[in-house]
Amino acid sequence: GESVGLHLPTLSVQEGDNSIINCAYSNSASDYFIWYKQESGKGPQFIIDIRSNMDKRQGQRVTVLLNKTVKHLSLQIAATQPGDSAVYFCAERYSSASKIIFGSGTRLSIRP
Amino acid sequence: DAGVIQSPRHEVTEMGQEVTLRCKPISGHNSLFWYRQTMMRGLELLIYFNNNVPIDDSGMPEDRFSAKMPNASFSTLKIQPSEPRDSAVYFCASSLQPFDEQFFGPGTRLTVL
Repeated sequence: GESVGLHLPTLSVQEGDNSIINCAYSNSASDYFIWYKQESGKGPQFIIDIRSNMDKRQGQRVTVLLNKTVKHLSLQIAATQPGDSAVYFCAERYSSASKIIFGSGTRLSIRP
Repeated sequence: DAGVIQSPRHEVTEMGQEVTLRCKPISGHNSLFWYRQTMMRGLELLIYFNNNVPIDDSGMPEDRFSAKMPNASFSTLKIQPSEPRDSAVYFCASSLQPFDEQFFGPGTRLTVL
């Protein structure tokens, strides 16, 4: 079936360390992937996206890696800060004419 | 820009009552999306509009749910009659075009008793 899922439902990271949040997808036809951050009481917020013709994309303190061979997506956050505490969702789009499907989310907590 | 505006932020109602959720998209955005978020099912797309026209309503759970977009700056999601299983956070999002980055509102937390 078509699904977007996450390896780890929760992740605890020491402040200042790097965080890696993983996501598996099952639809090999997906051509576009997005990471969203959702803080408590707020709506999801776009972080970074990547198209299927790329395997890496960098933003400010964040990097998304795409491995199409094993259908795996990851979000790396450098020097994790308390403000990074949130639930992170990966999402996929099957084609440019289809809706976006969200995964179940990973909660990231930061230890001081 | 104020971002996507949703009202009310919280709604508590009794089973059988009609519930209307409201959304004002970001000015200039042509696409509007309604999502529902629950612990069990995560974030689900209910319906989306492009240029005020419903494009995909395959996520609408059943006939009790209806959505309208009478103009480019306003949309409603109505549940009639409401049931306890409708309790969730409902998000509205908008984007320039259907498959561009979506900007989410703060959500409406609905509790049906």
